[in-house]
Amino acid sequence: DSGVTQTPKHLITATGQRVTLRCSPRSGDLSVYWYQQSLDQGLQFLIQYYNGEERAKGNILERFSAQQFPDLHSELNLSSLELGDSALYFCASSPGQGAYGYTFGSGTRLTVV
Amino acid sequence: GENVEQHPSTLSVQEGDSAVIKCTYSDSASNYFPWYKQELGKRPQLIIDIRSNVGEKKDQRIAVTLNKTAKHFSLHITETQPEDSAVYFCAASNTGSGNTGKLIFGQGTTLQVKP
Repeated sequence: DSGVTQTPKHLITATGQRVTLRCSPRSGDLSVYWYQQSLDQGLQFLIQYYNGEERAKGNILERFSAQQFPDLHSELNLSSLELGDSALYFCASSPGQGAYGYTFGSGTRLTVV
Repeated sequence: GENVEQHPSTLSVQEGDSAVIKCTYSDSASNYFPWYKQELGKRPQLIIDIRSNVGEKKDQRIAVTLNKTAKHFSLHITETQPEDSAVYFCAASNTGSGNTGKLIFGQGTTLQVKP
């Protein structure tokens, strides 16, 4: 167990729908990151939050949004889902703003049908 | 933009042989280079990392080398074992003041170790 908790583990939904993925960081970590892993795309950085504030943004689609709450857990909202959004979504956390001490969660596998 | 190229995409070796995976990064400000191992359906796990003030780092059968001038770093696994079979990802980050924890990943190398 890495200490980073992601729910749900699996999600199957239809095109056009909206889903919310949840992540609880490892105890003491202030940064939360979201990554998308598609079959042919490797791990793509989506967004970073640090202590409740957005810190960095990657190639995150406008249909996607995220936030980090006062208790430091984070949610990734995906709307108007398309078949191409099917992927593994990983959350990671680190103690500070930088990349040292990164730990990944077990991921949420999203299937859009 | 920022980019990390990783080669080869697949690598097959006999048990006991060595394996080498190479990565090249584009952002000269990158100063932190972790390597992750990902088994099928599992989360990426950090296996070794190197910072830009060091040229080489070793941990038992795993070593990483960094050439800042060439913007190139490599993972070396010696005496490979079947349990080393997995996908390996290199990554790069600029952890300097004011920068973020964003990791730019390579495309991954599928390593198969044949018994």
